[in-house]
Amino acid sequence: DQQVKQNSPSLSVQEGRISILNCDYTNSMFDYFLWYKKYPAEGPTFLISISSIKDKNEDGRFTVFLNKSAKHLSLHIVPSQPGDSAVYFCAASGRGGGSNYKLTFGKGTLLTVNP
Amino acid sequence: KAGVTQTPRYLIKTRGQQVTLSCSPISGHRSVSWYQQTPGQGLQFLFEYFSETQRNKGNFPGRFSGRQFSNSRSEMNVSTLELGDSALYLCASSPMTSGSKNEQFFGPGTRLTVL
Repeated sequence: DQQVKQNSPSLSVQEGRISILNCDYTNSMFDYFLWYKKYPAEGPTFLISISSIKDKNEDGRFTVFLNKSAKHLSLHIVPSQPGDSAVYFCAASGRGGGSNYKLTFGKGTLLTVNP
Repeated sequence: KAGVTQTPRYLIKTRGQQVTLSCSPISGHRSVSWYQQTPGQGLQFLFEYFSETQRNKGNFPGRFSGRQFSNSRSEMNVSTLELGDSALYLCASSPMTSGSKNEQFFGPGTRLTVL
């Protein structure tokens, strides 16, 4: 039972354009969402997060949008740079049942930004 | 602040052996979580510790165990290793003490290969 889904295993974008990475979730108890970036042979690096009381959070070139009714969130990177090429993971945590003490991850999307 | 450190970085074991992995969290972080990353399953939660107590455990067999010390350092142990235990084991620390806001900061991981 995959509670956090990233349906696109890969995405290729031209440098300078917008990258949009998508994530869907099924557990209505999730109320905090995070995006991580991962390079090979390294641990995931925290990028940006959003609480369920918001629908948008912005940090520099990164913006996360949350649509609670659709149980969908997206990460926008503008403008995309070659150094952004990595695997991006969507993660969620929630209330109760110990779920606030763990992150549930999607399987990741490999972003390639072409020069 | 120094980041999360994990030792060793690489490990090769044979089936049936046991292994202990170590994690030192970011100074001041009292929550430590462990995740297993494999190509097929992505990042899966193993367990989380806070103040030397396990607060949540993922769906892994009893061969996987962990503990946390009074200085917040943590170890995980895998006994009777199987080929399928080959994975990247990631440790993450968080300043979180309660609630669902759960920004976790990851170490570089320990790459375990079971032959």
